Amino acid sequence: GQQLNQSPQSMFIQEGEDVSMNCTSSSIFNTWLWYKQDPGEGPVLLIALYKAGELTSNGRLTAQFGITRKDSFLNISASIPSDVGIYFCAGQLGAGTASKLTFGTGTRLQVTL
Amino acid sequence: DGGITQSPKYLFRKEGQNVTLSCEQNLNHDAMYWYRQDPGQGLRLIYYSQIVNDFQKGDIAEGYSVSREKKESFPLTVTSAQKNPTAFYLCASSMPDRGSPLHFGNGTRLTVT
Repeated sequence: GQQLNQSPQSMFIQEGEDVSMNCTSSSIFNTWLWYKQDPGEGPVLLIALYKAGELTSNGRLTAQFGITRKDSFLNISASIPSDVGIYFCAGQLGAGTASKLTFGTGTRLQVTL
Repeated sequence: DGGITQSPKYLFRKEGQNVTLSCEQNLNHDAMYWYRQDPGQGLRLIYYSQIVNDFQKGDIAEGYSVSREKKESFPLTVTSAQKNPTAFYLCASSMPDRGSPLHFGNGTRLTVT
């Protein structure tokens, strides 16, 4: 199955800094999802995007559905230690089950105090 | 609280043995999924089920089997035919409509030696 290109693969940042990561695809999607996974746990949904150009916030997190429908961005403002984890994007084209979800390879975020 | 329960958290088996991973959900979701996660890779779909007594192969179904006898339960059997079974396995569920995001369990880490 296809996988999304997610970048950066990993990043170290200072506490308080803003973070940006993105996902790109060769195919268009109708839905973009962003998940966070803590070590040894399952991914937790952060933000869901359903419309091209949509900009959605969840606390310090902001995500955008790219206008071309082939990319999405996630920003974290004023990072804190609990932001550590792996962030995954996922794209879905059609209606129906999530069987058509394609996941990115993840961005590992580590925060230094 | 509604959620998805995977058990056990850690599982160890000898090569050549079949092993079954449990997944139970009380979210009243129709669709359930099994994913495999390996280091540095995105989630890969093994099997999914949209309704009781029906299931479909995902991208990497070889060496795995499932059943869906009840809406709440979707066990995964890792058979001895799976060439590289050591991995982190994630169960998920969703409602089968467009944009309904996946909800994940906390995973089972299987180690086969």
